Amino acid sequence: GQNIDQPTEMTATEGAIVQINCTYQTSGFNGLFWYQQHAGEAPTFLSYNVLDGLEEKGRFSSFLSRSKGYSYLLLKELQMKDSASYLCAVTDSNYQLIWGAGTKLIIKP
Amino acid sequence: DTEVTQTPKHLVMGMTNKKSLKCEQHMGHRAMYWYKQKAKKPPELMFVYSYEKLSINESVPSRFSPECPNSSLLNLHLHALQPEDSALYLCASSQESSSGANVLTFGAGSRLTVL
Repeated sequence: GQNIDQPTEMTATEGAIVQINCTYQTSGFNGLFWYQQHAGEAPTFLSYNVLDGLEEKGRFSSFLSRSKGYSYLLLKELQMKDSASYLCAVTDSNYQLIWGAGTKLIIKP
Repeated sequence: DTEVTQTPKHLVMGMTNKKSLKCEQHMGHRAMYWYKQKAKKPPELMFVYSYEKLSINESVPSRFSPECPNSSLLNLHLHALQPEDSALYLCASSQESSSGANVLTFGAGSRLTVL
């Protein structure tokens, strides 16, 4: 079966750094996405990784290791507005997007 | 224009009503999607249209009927829904449906309550 695992909830402090992990087992791999979703709103695209390594985009970075079936999203200089759910999703061999259950990130002052 | 617009934002309907959700995009995307999302759950794919043709129907009950009148519009017709169908319905679009780097742009969603 296809499976994506990520922690249900994480808490971090404003100004700090947090790493949200995602492991996946899918039938084939055509890329991994991270989306951010604020409560009651639609998901918005954060990052896409298809090759191993780190992709940096401002305060957010995403890492991929295809051999380990592992990715993480790194958020630096946390702000209160970063409180949201972070969804990991993988495109499988049929180009179907398989979603993780999401990680709810709570930022405390 | 980099938006996907959904109407209505909120909809309350009885189990015998017929209503429609509408979605529009002007980004030239050739793939459009309907997702259903329950609270604290990830989006659940319902339908995919590619080049205005239905390419994926994820075994969705027939009380949900999609329609793609043209490349910019996507509708979801609702009839005889059940209370458990209450959810956030998200429309999304992407340049193609068969691509690894398939970034989805979501609309703000239509919050549906079935009484």
